[in-house]
Amino acid sequence: GQNIDQPTEMTATEGAIVQINCTYQTSGFNGLFWYQQHAGEAPTFLSYNVLDGLEEKGRFSSFLSRSKGYSYLLLKELQMKDSASYLCAVRAGGSYIPTFGRGTSLIVHP
Amino acid sequence: EPEVTQTPSHQVTQMGQEVILRCVPISNHLYFYWYRQILGQKVEFLVSFYNNEISEKSEIFDDQFSVERPDGSNFTLKIRSTKLEDSAMYFCASRGSGRQETQYFGPGTRLLVL
Repeated sequence: GQNIDQPTEMTATEGAIVQINCTYQTSGFNGLFWYQQHAGEAPTFLSYNVLDGLEEKGRFSSFLSRSKGYSYLLLKELQMKDSASYLCAVRAGGSYIPTFGRGTSLIVHP
Repeated sequence: EPEVTQTPSHQVTQMGQEVILRCVPISNHLYFYWYRQILGQKVEFLVSFYNNEISEKSEIFDDQFSVERPDGSNFTLKIRSTKLEDSAMYFCASRGSGRQETQYFGPGTRLLVL
């Protein structure tokens, strides 16, 4: 099986930068996803990493270190609408099915 | 932008009743999935479907569950005899055929079993 850990909750100030960490233990790593989920809504895709390094997409960046089993999602210039749960999900082995972590609830305050 | 759609958005049913949740995946996608999310818990994989058959399923997907693609556009999840613990949000997702293709989720059906 896979073990995915992320903090339960984080708070940050509007306009600031926040980093949400995700660690995982798995065999046959095959990609890591970050999704955003607002309360009562579906997860929406943010980023995909399969090789080490940083992927930047606008205000959001995602980093992966396969040797450390570690990823982070970096959110810059935080806006109130960024308040949501951020889900780390890992694919492993020959499966295309991602296993989701419990998510990190981010609260952005003025 | 193409999107996954699901109906109904909400469903209330009595324990023991059958329910069918419907999904229309993105039109050129070939892989289809059902997930569920019990309130306050993580997203859990149920089943994946490709080429008109189940390709993977989780321990949750027992004999009370079935999936079907009855025509070229719909993808359904049937729960034969609902239990209280089936109350959850059910998400359909689809993806294209490339290795790095991600899954796109529908808006979900909130199922409440009384």
